[in-house]
Amino acid sequence: DAGVTQSPTHLIKTRGQQVTLRCSPKSGHDTVSWYQQALGQGPQFIFQYYEEEERQRGNFPDRFSGHQFPNYSSELNVNALLLGDSALYLCASSLGDRELYGYTFGSGTRLTVV
Amino acid sequence: GNSVTQMEGPVTLSEEAFLTINCTYTATGYPSLFWYVQYPGEGLQLLLKATKADDKGSNKGFEATYRKETTSFHLEKGSVQVSDSAVYFCALITGGGNKLTFGTGTQLKVEL
Repeated sequence: DAGVTQSPTHLIKTRGQQVTLRCSPKSGHDTVSWYQQALGQGPQFIFQYYEEEERQRGNFPDRFSGHQFPNYSSELNVNALLLGDSALYLCASSLGDRELYGYTFGSGTRLTVV
Repeated sequence: GNSVTQMEGPVTLSEEAFLTINCTYTATGYPSLFWYVQYPGEGLQLLLKATKADDKGSNKGFEATYRKETTSFHLEKGSVQVSDSAVYFCALITGGGNKLTFGTGTQLKVEL
């Protein structure tokens, strides 16, 4: 049973460019969340998607946007990249009671902005 | 708001030593508590969890007890191995909430 799959694993972008990251949730999971993990820090919540709608958003600017597709997969888009956007971006999926079952994380996409 | 505080690392231990990584939290309501582990170059893996006061989560020799009175969820292992070297994150989620709140992580290095 495949877990959470993210692509690409690494990419390098130039300041001001736009980037799209992709996530396929664990089979059977219907909720996808995105986190940003800066070097040496804990992950920070960006937003969560459920039923193709953004359900909750963290303290991130509008440059960060997302989408969820009918098959539950998701994309994270970041516009006008800044050097400070360099981080590991983690996708997490879940089904049902998140307090009870928690989240399953992917291995992440390492974004470097130069 | 919710917050998680972990002891700073790195923590360096010899193989077979006893491990404690401290975690305390502040939360509205009664959170569920988690420990995640991150091996070098990888994402997060759920290590263990506890959903109510006095619950003990355990997995792979690691244990943590949900202590409501001290708002703590300390991670322990009786005998660490080199393969346990990783970064450990304490996290919580509150009732009806949709996001995990993480601590800053504690790096563990186990040497022969």
